[in-house]
Amino acid sequence: KAGVTQTPRYLIKTRGQQVTLSCSPISGHRSVSWYQQTPGQGLQFLFEYFSETQRNKGNFPGRFSGRQFSNSRSEMNVSTLELGDSALYLCASSERTGNNEQFFGPGTRLTVL
Amino acid sequence: AQSVAQPEDQVNVAEGNPLTVKCTYSVSGNPYLFWYVQYPNRGLQFLLKYITGDNLVKGSYGFEAEFNKSQTSFHLKKPSALVSDSALYFCAVRDSGSARQLTFGSGTQLTVLP
Repeated sequence: KAGVTQTPRYLIKTRGQQVTLSCSPISGHRSVSWYQQTPGQGLQFLFEYFSETQRNKGNFPGRFSGRQFSNSRSEMNVSTLELGDSALYLCASSERTGNNEQFFGPGTRLTVL
Repeated sequence: AQSVAQPEDQVNVAEGNPLTVKCTYSVSGNPYLFWYVQYPNRGLQFLLKYITGDNLVKGSYGFEAEFNKSQTSFHLKKPSALVSDSALYFCAVRDSGSARQLTFGSGTQLTVLP
């Protein structure tokens, strides 16, 4: 099976712009989670989706949003970008939630100038 | 609430020596526990998990972890470290009785010295 894919891998934006990141989970996986990773804050949870429904949401402002499609692919959007949004954004998929391990994509490196 | 603590930001060990990366957790119910490893500029890779059963769990690349309920710990171990084991290690927990998301620790940078 192909692994989790994320596009684009690298992105450079300027403050105030918006960005959309895409994640394709492993075939058959219905759960997708998003994380933000920075050197200072570590790995922080953004959202978790299962069967197109958001099951959990982390403590991020409303500028961060996401969705999941019927084929389990997921997107996250960040509006009105700030310098502090520069980070590695990781997507992970699993068959279900609960005791299933998550499989991570390579991430999208977002740089906000 | 659920939480994970990795008390050591950095662990150094000589090649060939045993290694331990520490993790303690807090959940209301029974825990599902996971270890992941991250190499530079890569996503996280799953190493092993504890769901139920034997307290000693064996995983990928010769790693194992011991679940200790009384100490609420899930330390990662390897009998003989390799230079290639140098990476960032994350412990994670999910409460089996809740629908909450997986919670990750802050990570421990392991450096294996040749």
